[in-house]
Amino acid sequence: AQSVAQPEDQVNVAEGNPLTVKCTYSVSGNPYLFWYVQYPNRGLQFLLKYITGDNLVKGSYGFEAEFNKSQTSFHLKKPSALVSDSALYFCAVRDGGDKIIFGKGTRLHILP
Amino acid sequence: DTAVSQTPKYLVTQMGNDKSIKCEQNLGHDTMYWYKQDSKKFLKIMFSYNNKELIINETVPNRFSPKSPDKAHLNLHINSLELGDSAVYFCASSQGVSSSEAFFGQGTRLTVV
Repeated sequence: AQSVAQPEDQVNVAEGNPLTVKCTYSVSGNPYLFWYVQYPNRGLQFLLKYITGDNLVKGSYGFEAEFNKSQTSFHLKKPSALVSDSALYFCAVRDGGDKIIFGKGTRLHILP
Repeated sequence: DTAVSQTPKYLVTQMGNDKSIKCEQNLGHDTMYWYKQDSKKFLKIMFSYNNKELIINETVPNRFSPKSPDKAHLNLHINSLELGDSAVYFCASSQGVSSSEAFFGQGTRLTVV
């Protein structure tokens, strides 16, 4: 069965510093990996996805993620954090079927 | 235009009541979902429909009954509401291909008192 792990409940980063939010996955076939962001009292917004090809994918708001097959990871990154990036971030996986499984979420705090 | 819209946004009701949440998407997607987000923000899939057919039912109590009158709509009816049903319920839709991301509605915050 597919699963996603986000090992950090919370990540604190100073504004202007690079940020990384970690995600590892387990899936039987080819993984389709996604990152979403949730702002307070809002639905989830799609940030980026990995399907195939280049291991570094770029998405919305300056975010990017690196797919690493050997480490089964898909970490979210941004070179320079903004206070407005503070939100709840979810990693998700889809294994070729219709089910999209989400990690437990990581709360990102960007400190001014 | 809102891509995935849910109504109502807030729902407060007493234990034992029956309530419905409606969802509509105007993206032309084949697949629609219901997710439950609990107080710890865990997101758990409940149901998925593809072209009006139920394809995923994640051991949800049968008090929860989804209905899809057409592929643009997926409603959720809940009978005999319990305190533990309090959560935020999200509707989502996606293309019926594996590489497609899901688009989410704004959520319905259900509070059972």
